[in-house]
Amino acid sequence: QQQVKQSPQSLIVQKGGISIINCAYENTAFDYFPWYQQFPGKGPALLIAIRPDVSEKKEGRFTISFNKSAKQFSLHIMDSQPGDSATYFCAASKNTGNQFYFGTGTSLTVIP
Amino acid sequence: GAGVSQSPSNKVTEKGKDVELRCDPISGHTALYWYRQSLGQGLEFLIYFQGNSAPDKSGLPSDRFSAERTGGSVSTLTIQRTQQEDSAVYLCASSLGRNEKLFFGSGTQLSVL
Repeated sequence: QQQVKQSPQSLIVQKGGISIINCAYENTAFDYFPWYQQFPGKGPALLIAIRPDVSEKKEGRFTISFNKSAKQFSLHIMDSQPGDSATYFCAASKNTGNQFYFGTGTSLTVIP
Repeated sequence: GAGVSQSPSNKVTEKGKDVELRCDPISGHTALYWYRQSLGQGLEFLIYFQGNSAPDKSGLPSDRFSAERTGGSVSTLTIQRTQQEDSAVYLCASSLGRNEKLFFGSGTQLSVL
């Protein structure tokens, strides 16, 4: 059973546009929600993360929006650039657990 | 080292052979994870080590898979009698503790012919 559901599977955005990736979860015990960025041939790298005590977190062009009641969170990439072209994974974990649960990934392509 | 180091970066083996994959975590990181990433798929949890505690092996897909972590540092993932369905990228990650930021290595691409 997929603990974290991610959509869309792929996304094409024009340079300067906004990229939006969505994730949903079921386990209300999750208390840490990171987003990872992965380039071909590399391991995932943490991009930004949020804990459920806030509804939004912004770091530069990257923003996480978190809706606790809907059990959803999303990544917004403002002013998308070709260098943002990568695969993005959302994840969730809980402080009593031993693993991170990852979404299936979104392949983002930013067209110049 | 500066980051998580995995070796080899690529491994091609024949069906039925055993393979060993190595992970050298960031110094001082007490938590170590192994994940498997199949083509176009998400990350599948395999095993978790935390300090001197017994590892969480709940994600290992079969008894052909095993892992150990020596001295709380280097970890080795062993796959015995490899099968074609074992072909994937095996990723190692370490962190300062449970539920903390993960630092991933670049992975080992395993191909079983």
